[in-house]
Amino acid sequence: EAEVAQSPRYKITEKSQAVAFWCDPISGHATLYWYRQILGQGPELLVQFQDESVVDDSQLPKDRFSAERLKGVDSTLKIQPAELGDSAMYLCASSLAGDRGDEQYFGPGTRLTVT
Amino acid sequence: SQQGEEDPQALSIQEGENATMNCSYKTSINNLQWYRQNSGRGLVHLILIRSNEREKHSGRLRVTLDTSKKSSSLLITASRAADTASYFCATDTGRRALTFGSGTRLQVQP
Repeated sequence: EAEVAQSPRYKITEKSQAVAFWCDPISGHATLYWYRQILGQGPELLVQFQDESVVDDSQLPKDRFSAERLKGVDSTLKIQPAELGDSAMYLCASSLAGDRGDEQYFGPGTRLTVT
Repeated sequence: SQQGEEDPQALSIQEGENATMNCSYKTSINNLQWYRQNSGRGLVHLILIRSNEREKHSGRLRVTLDTSKKSSSLLITASRAADTASYFCATDTGRRALTFGSGTRLQVQP
């Protein structure tokens, strides 16, 4: 069964350092999402791509976060510089077309700890 | 900000019992989805109910939706230890991607 791949699974970094996460969605899925999940809370959307275009990055802290999906397939989320408050689980998800009622498939996530 | 709020925040039951979780939301929706998350893992889609539906079943899962009260419930019948997880409702308002609630942590004791 096709799955969303994410790496690394765990990342420990010091504050002010740069960190990057990678996501490979299910083949053929046009829509890709990055979520941040703080312990004990639900996921919150950071950025949504339709193919290679950003369709929603209203909740992305653009002073330190950036995301790209250059060829409309895999995606990278970067944080520079990392802050203590960035410690969280970063989840990638994909869906076929992003239409209403579209089921999202999630990857296993990257657990980030900023020290 | 989170659209949905689950109730209770935590639930502990014995194997074989039924588990009921509730979700309330604030704005009109196109559909509502339920997801499960095992500890430290990604989310798995369980069931989707559209705004014009009132009840939906999938195996041991039963979901209801009351749009007049802006609420939904997830019932897991004959629970198993493997059902231990966090359960999230997520609303699709048509404006942007899904908005998740804060989750219910279910513990099923063997």
